[in-house]
Amino acid sequence: GEDVEQSLFLSVREGDSSVINCTYTDSSSTYLYWYKQEPGAGLQLLTYIFSNMDMKQDQRLTVLLNKKDKHLSLRIADTQTGDSAIYFCAESPRGDYKLSFGAGTTVTVRA
Amino acid sequence: EAQVTQNPRYLITVTGKKLTVTCSQNMNHEYMSWYRQDPGLGLRQIYYSMNVEVTDKGDVPEGYKVSRKEKRNFPLILESPSPNQTSLYFCASSSAQGERNIQYFGAGTRLSVL
Repeated sequence: GEDVEQSLFLSVREGDSSVINCTYTDSSSTYLYWYKQEPGAGLQLLTYIFSNMDMKQDQRLTVLLNKKDKHLSLRIADTQTGDSAIYFCAESPRGDYKLSFGAGTTVTVRA
Repeated sequence: EAQVTQNPRYLITVTGKKLTVTCSQNMNHEYMSWYRQDPGLGLRQIYYSMNVEVTDKGDVPEGYKVSRKEKRNFPLILESPSPNQTSLYFCASSSAQGERNIQYFGAGTRLSVL
């Protein structure tokens, strides 16, 4: 989507950390989301963060939100081969059920 | 098990032959939506529905129709498919309760229009 931007590709070695970055434009967004799409499958919600938070940690996942710069990142610690997928950043403007998605970042984990 | 079910998963058709992709959810969600996914463009919303008999256009509605006669079903209709509608289509649903807007996605329908 034109309002949410992500880099398209990321290659990471197994065991290293992955960091996927996203910028968004709608400052009214209440929640920001990370979805994961594995090959041949639909999108699965990985995690989300409320706009009044700076950070959220969930096991190997850490989400950082810089509201001033409208920048969102997803860090995956100890990246595994099963983390190879497309990761989508999405925003949900206040009062709107539509999600605006980025183009997706394809993460490739190499041995 | 809570799920969004789309059928068919794969479809090859020819230009101009009407087709319907079905979507059904078992979570009693009010909100349902159709997206198409194209390389480098992410997901773009085609149509959405806030409840039964309430539908509205998304970002790329041209060439598509939808209906919402029952809460659980939200079919996507292509009256006269064209090759530029070759894409991967996703149906999604979410509850209107609360603000989190967590959308649940179907497994996708890969459509090829020849």
